[in-house]
Amino acid sequence: DAGITQSPRHKVTETGTPVTLRCHQTENHRYMYWYRQDPGHGLRLIHYSYGVKDTDKGEVSDGYSVSRSKTEDFLLTLESATSSQTSVYFCAISVGENTEAFFGQGTRLTVV
Amino acid sequence: AQTVTQSQPEMSVQEAETVTLSCTYDTSESDYYLFWYKQPPSRQMILVIRQEAYKQQNATENRFSVNFQKAAKSFSLKISDSQLGDAAMYFCAYRFPSGTYKYIFGTGTRLKVLA
Repeated sequence: DAGITQSPRHKVTETGTPVTLRCHQTENHRYMYWYRQDPGHGLRLIHYSYGVKDTDKGEVSDGYSVSRSKTEDFLLTLESATSSQTSVYFCAISVGENTEAFFGQGTRLTVV
Repeated sequence: AQTVTQSQPEMSVQEAETVTLSCTYDTSESDYYLFWYKQPPSRQMILVIRQEAYKQQNATENRFSVNFQKAAKSFSLKISDSQLGDAAMYFCAYRFPSGTYKYIFGTGTRLKVLA
């Protein structure tokens, strides 16, 4: 699993509350990604990072922000959760320039 | 913009038979990577096979092989001797060749294996 841990694994939150999901890696890889998975949409990129404090938006970034103050941690924040953000969230890393992505276990987030 | 299309939302195959999952993509790059991932009900994302665009030879991993047609921008996955454990969602993915090395995924194909 390339040493990737997501927390929490499950969360239920209320509309309008902020939520932070954490992705932690143990091996100091440079590239990290946040995806959301929804039926009929596959995995869509929310934000990604290519180094400490170097982040950029993906295709579905509205309503989300990220931070990466340390190589090993990549945080995803839903600033004010909405029901449309109910989803499964995956963190992924790339361990080299010519490799596949390795994924965390996913976080199921429900916004009620 | 780069896109990945999986036009088969669901497929079924009889156990021990062969099935092919389709994937097309769009890119202006000449060197890139393509992948097939399997996602069983456990939600874990498992790499099945990878293909480097500059290699002409189709990748093979045991019962899994690809038909990579670079000019047609097609990357299909063939599963031979299908097993019950092959039942899962399958995602095709494209990796940008440089810069941020982002991965773009298709919408997935759900494969059912019939006993």
